[in-house]
Amino acid sequence: DAGVIQSPRHEVTEMGQEVTLRCKPISGHNSLFWYRQTMMRGLELLIYFNNNVPIDDSGMPEDRFSAKMPNASFSTLKIQPSEPRDSAVYFCASRYTGGDEQYFGPGTRLTVT
Amino acid sequence: SQQGEEDPQALSIQEGENATMNCSYKTSINNLQWYRQNSGRGLVHLILIRSNEREKHSGRLRVTLDTSKKSSSLLITASRAADTASYFCATDASGGSNYKLTFGKGTLLTVNP
Repeated sequence: DAGVIQSPRHEVTEMGQEVTLRCKPISGHNSLFWYRQTMMRGLELLIYFNNNVPIDDSGMPEDRFSAKMPNASFSTLKIQPSEPRDSAVYFCASRYTGGDEQYFGPGTRLTVT
Repeated sequence: SQQGEEDPQALSIQEGENATMNCSYKTSINNLQWYRQNSGRGLVHLILIRSNEREKHSGRLRVTLDTSKKSSSLLITASRAADTASYFCATDASGGSNYKLTFGKGTLLTVNP
């Protein structure tokens, strides 16, 4: 099993630009989670999907952030426009419904200058 | 303070010694999980303990749970340099279909060779 795949691994962009982060969950996993990790705030849940449907987006910081899951094997997190305070490591994780543990991808390190 | 807070924030020990990390939480939980994060990597699930369990072992790991005190501890015995990482507790306090984990800010463990 390839595990959770995220791309890109590193992204450097200028303030105001659109950023799209991508995630492929583990095949057969029904739930997908997007997290953001910073030194100040730790690991924050942004949004999670169950069977491709957004269940809880209360962690999405503001309207500049949006997430989609068009099918069971792909999800995107978009930031438009990006700001320097969005700089963080963004993780995607997946889980098999009925299981308890989450499987994390390697993360995307985003730097907005 | 947030659900799932670890202490200490940082711990430095010598190889061969035991390492103990603690986690406190605020609400009733279904289970509590411990994850490890190596520098620059995603989180990896280590062990899960359910609310009706008091102690669990997995290899060199021992987890305890005291629901009356809303606290858990993770013990790593005979530590190795490769155990150097951040360790996070995560609580599942969800009900129904709204499953999600809440992570603490972690304990940074350094094992000196």
